[in-house]
Amino acid sequence: AQSVTQLGSHVSVSEGALVLLRCNYSSSVPPYLFWYVQYPNQGLQLLLKYTTGATLVKGINGFEAEFKKSETSFHLTKPSAHMSDAAEYFCAVRPSSSGNTGKLIFGQGTTLQVKP
Amino acid sequence: EPEVTQTPSHQVTQMGQEVILRCVPISNHLYFYWYRQILGQKVEFLVSFYNNEISEKSEIFDDQFSVERPDGSNFTLKIRSTKLEDSAMYFCASSGRSGKSSYEQYFGPGTRLTVT
Repeated sequence: AQSVTQLGSHVSVSEGALVLLRCNYSSSVPPYLFWYVQYPNQGLQLLLKYTTGATLVKGINGFEAEFKKSETSFHLTKPSAHMSDAAEYFCAVRPSSSGNTGKLIFGQGTTLQVKP
Repeated sequence: EPEVTQTPSHQVTQMGQEVILRCVPISNHLYFYWYRQILGQKVEFLVSFYNNEISEKSEIFDDQFSVERPDGSNFTLKIRSTKLEDSAMYFCASSGRSGKSSYEQYFGPGTRLTVT
């Protein structure tokens, strides 16, 4: 079964510092990959996705992620953290063979804290 | 911007009672999902629904659970006889018509179910 691992349940950075949230997946066939963000008392909001094509994908709020097949990774980065980035971040995969109704398999989430 | 809505935001029920969680997906979407997140754990897939039938369900989705799209706009999750372990945040999601738009799942804010 496919799985997703997010290294670090809590990450703390200073405002203006680089944000790096790690995600690795287990799959013999590259899946579709997603990052979602959840602000307090809100639902999951799609930040960015990789399906095919360019391996560096850009999302909302200045975030980007790079799909590295050789490392089975899809790490999320942002050059300069802002206080408003404090939230929980979820990496998710969808098996590419699952058709149009494919479920998402989520990692356990990483809470990002941004210190002033 | 269209969004997925869920009601109620918080439901408290006694063990053994039936609950219905309601969702209004984005209006032109065709694929519908329920996920749940037990406190401190991963977001887990429960069921997907397309063309008025279940297309995939997880092992969590046993005979106590059912889904329905009763009127072309609402999408409901029913738990017939709630157990303490059903306490969780339940997320509804929907995705678009076809092709790559079907890959992006849009989530509602969730219903927190507390079983006492």
